[in-house]
Amino acid sequence: KQEVTQIPAALSVPEGENLVLNCSFTDSAIYNLQWFRQDPGKGLTSLLLIQSSQREQTSGRLNASLDKSSGRSTLYIAASQPGDSATYLCAVKGRETSGSRLTFGEGTQLTVNP
Amino acid sequence: EPEVTQTPSHQVTQMGQEVILRCVPISNHLYFYWYRQILGQKVEFLVSFYNNEISEKSEIFDDQFSVERPDGSNFTLKIRSTKLEDSAMYFCASSRLGLGETQYFGPGTRLLVL
Repeated sequence: KQEVTQIPAALSVPEGENLVLNCSFTDSAIYNLQWFRQDPGKGLTSLLLIQSSQREQTSGRLNASLDKSSGRSTLYIAASQPGDSATYLCAVKGRETSGSRLTFGEGTQLTVNP
Repeated sequence: EPEVTQTPSHQVTQMGQEVILRCVPISNHLYFYWYRQILGQKVEFLVSFYNNEISEKSEIFDDQFSVERPDGSNFTLKIRSTKLEDSAMYFCASSRLGLGETQYFGPGTRLLVL
């Protein structure tokens, strides 16, 4: 059964700092990995999708990498801003089932201080 | 930009009552999903739906749950006899195709069972 873990659980940084969020998964047989942002009491906003054949994806100040063989992904946020404060979730779509379920990690709660 | 919408945003119900949560997926999407997030816990997959039938369901999705696409735009989740432990945020999601595609999430319905 796929398990997804995110480290750290919480992170507080000053504005302008570059930071890395980590995600690990136990079963490397995945179709893709998706990073989301969740604001308090709100839905999930998709940030980046990395297919299993890809090594990284970039969107603006965000860069996500994937090392499928080691079961790891990182989300790099450059020049962090207070508006980046949110919980960041990673989710994997595994190959173990025929459907399209996403398995989520617990999230990293990021606070960017002005 | 098209988005997934959900109604109601909040619902309070008594234990044993039936509830129906409603979702309008993005219009050209073919795959639909329900997830839930109990307060302080991970987002969990419930069910995926394609071509008017369930394509995958989790162990959570027992016979108290059902899904339906009653018309060309709505996608519903029914809980027949709610329990206290059904209290959670319920998210609807949709994707254009299945495997390999980004899933787009709605803002959620917060369900409180008393």
